[in-house]
Parts: sequence; structure tokens; C-alpha cells
Amino acid sequence: EVQLVESGGGLVKPGGSLSLSCGVSGFTFSDYTMNWVRQAPGKGLEWVSTISSRSSHIFYADSVKGRFTISRDNAKNSLYLQMNSLKAEDTAIYYCARRVRDSGTYFDYWGQGTLVTVSS
Amino acid sequence: EVVMTQSPVTLSVSPGERTTLSCRASQSVSINLAWFQQKPGQAPWLLIYDASTRATDTPARFSGSGSGTEFTLTISSLQSDDFAVYYCQQYNNWPVTFGQGTKVEIK
Repeated sequence: EVQLVESGGGLVKPGGSLSLSCGVSGFTFSDYTMNWVRQAPGKGLEWVSTISSRSSHIFYADSVKGRFTISRDNAKNSLYLQMNSLKAEDTAIYYCARRVRDSGTYFDYWGQGTLVTVSS
Repeated sequence: EVVMTQSPVTLSVSPGERTTLSCRASQSVSINLAWFQQKPGQAPWLLIYDASTRATDTPARFSGSGSGTEFTLTISSLQSDDFAVYYCQQYNNWPVTFGQGTKVEIK
């Protein structure tokens, strides 16, 4: 069974930092491009970042570029998101999501999400 | 970026009824469109990809159609389990973008 489990969310002050993790099981992690997608409270979905299977290609949304860093450790079956210089508008549930293999960038499995709250 | 606009924002439907949700792209996305269902407190779940292909475990009452800029998701006979928010997402252009969602609620 495919499972993705996020952790690391919490309350942080504006300007602060937070590191999210996503542990996966049930599939060969190193074969898949992985992503972070977020959802502000009561709002829609926003793609945040993508990392290819061997970390050779990395992309960010303009809203987080220069502040967030995506990474992965294929040996540990884990995906990460380092978030710096956090703003109130970064408050959201952060989901890790698996991109469908050998196809377009849409997402066939999602974790349950971890809530990040940026507030003073 | 490609702006995805869904309509209506909210749809009130009785169980057993047929319902159609719309998604419009600000420029052509070919058939590179997916639909997701999200229930309260849960992660989104992939329903449809490539505009009309049902994902694994998607019930046959869900169907997608369209290409270019106009897309629809049809639920042939609404079940109690189908009351949720539905999102479309284009993956033809970078960055991938989502619509704002359509909430299907019980009438």
C-alpha cells in the first residue's frame, strides 16, 4: 500500500524557519518525481515545488522561490521542504504528492498533510 | 501562468441526480487536465486524468470530457459519498495550476 506521511508542521513567527519531512512506503521512491502542494485554510490548492527522481531537476513556484528548498534522500525514502523567511501567507496545509510516473505532472498519491501556521 | 476557472462555486444537488461541473482554462491545455475530489479533512484524491481517463478505483459514474480550454466532470447519479469539493488541474504548461474548486453539497 502506498503511503506518504508528512511531519514537521507547527506554529512559527514571521521571518522564521521550519523544515517539513515526508516519509513514504509502498513504492520505489527513487523512481518517482515528488512534489509539495499547499492549501491555505478554506482555500484551493497551490503547487509549491517539484524534485525529480535523482534530484537533477528542481522547480519552485514564484511565491516561494529563494525562500524554500526542496530535497530528497532516496536511501531514506524521504522528501523534505526547508522553509525560510516565512510569511503569514505561507500559512497552509502542506501536502507531499507523488507525480504519476512517465506522464504529465499530476498527482496520484497524496499524504494527509501537515499544518504550517505563520503568526506572531 | 494558466488560470483555471471552475463553475459554479457551489452546486446543490439531490442524491441520485446527474450533475455537471465546469472548468475553463485561460489558454489551451490540450487534454492535459486532471480532476480531484477532496472531502473535509482529507487529502485530494485523483479521479480523472488526461481529461477523460478514470483513475484506478474511480467509479464509472464519474466521467470527464473536453479539450483545449473547456472541460466538464459529470457525475451520472450522485451518491452520498460524492458530496465534496472538486478541483481541476492543468499540467500542459508550467507551473501546473488548479482551479478554485466547486463544492457539491446536498440539496
